[in-house]
Amino acid sequence: GAVVSQHPSRVICKSGTSVKIECRSLDFQATTMFWYRQFPKQSLMLMATSNEGSKATYEQGVEKDKFLINHASLTLSTLTVTSAHPEDSSFYICSAIYESTDTQYFGPGTRLTVL
Amino acid sequence: EDQVTQSPEALRLQEGESSSLNCSYTVSGLRGLFWYRQDPGKGPEFLFTLYSAGEEKEKERLKATLTKKESFLHITAPKPEDSATYLCAVRLYNQGGKLIFGQGTELSVKP
Repeated sequence: GAVVSQHPSRVICKSGTSVKIECRSLDFQATTMFWYRQFPKQSLMLMATSNEGSKATYEQGVEKDKFLINHASLTLSTLTVTSAHPEDSSFYICSAIYESTDTQYFGPGTRLTVL
Repeated sequence: EDQVTQSPEALRLQEGESSSLNCSYTVSGLRGLFWYRQDPGKGPEFLFTLYSAGEEKEKERLKATLTKKESFLHITAPKPEDSATYLCAVRLYNQGGKLIFGQGTELSVKP
């Protein structure tokens, strides 16, 4: 149990386009999900906390208008990178809290490359 | 400021050579300490949660322990498939479930 999926696993886009990444909790409901960004050889950097039915809470320095987060249901959160630029290229990982065990489970990640 | 520090940054072991990874933390209001394993190009995989000093958890060749200032991940007789980056994270009270991660320890086990 406690499986989190992400789609797509890899995406390549042109500069200026928008990209949507989906995060789903497959076998549990999650009122709280998180979005992270990870650069090579570095640890995870929290971007925002996504709460079902309410606005996301962004970490300091993360552009709200650039990284749009929607948590429309108890099993789905989406991250949209708007007007993507090469510096947005990174590994994006989502996670969800499995409340029965108070544990955060992670998705497999999405590799975004902006040309 | 709440901080999590892992050491060493990288560790190379021969197969069967036991060792320990360290995670020291300076935080206010620890709710739980988590260990994850991350393989290249993948998301972190949950290993253990520790809640109070003195607590220990085991899974196969891994054993995690917790004191008031640090946690250790002991690896007994490691195998090449144990090679990965091991991440330590803490969850605090009144932070809405957020985790504060250490920088990780990259473990390489050679046959």
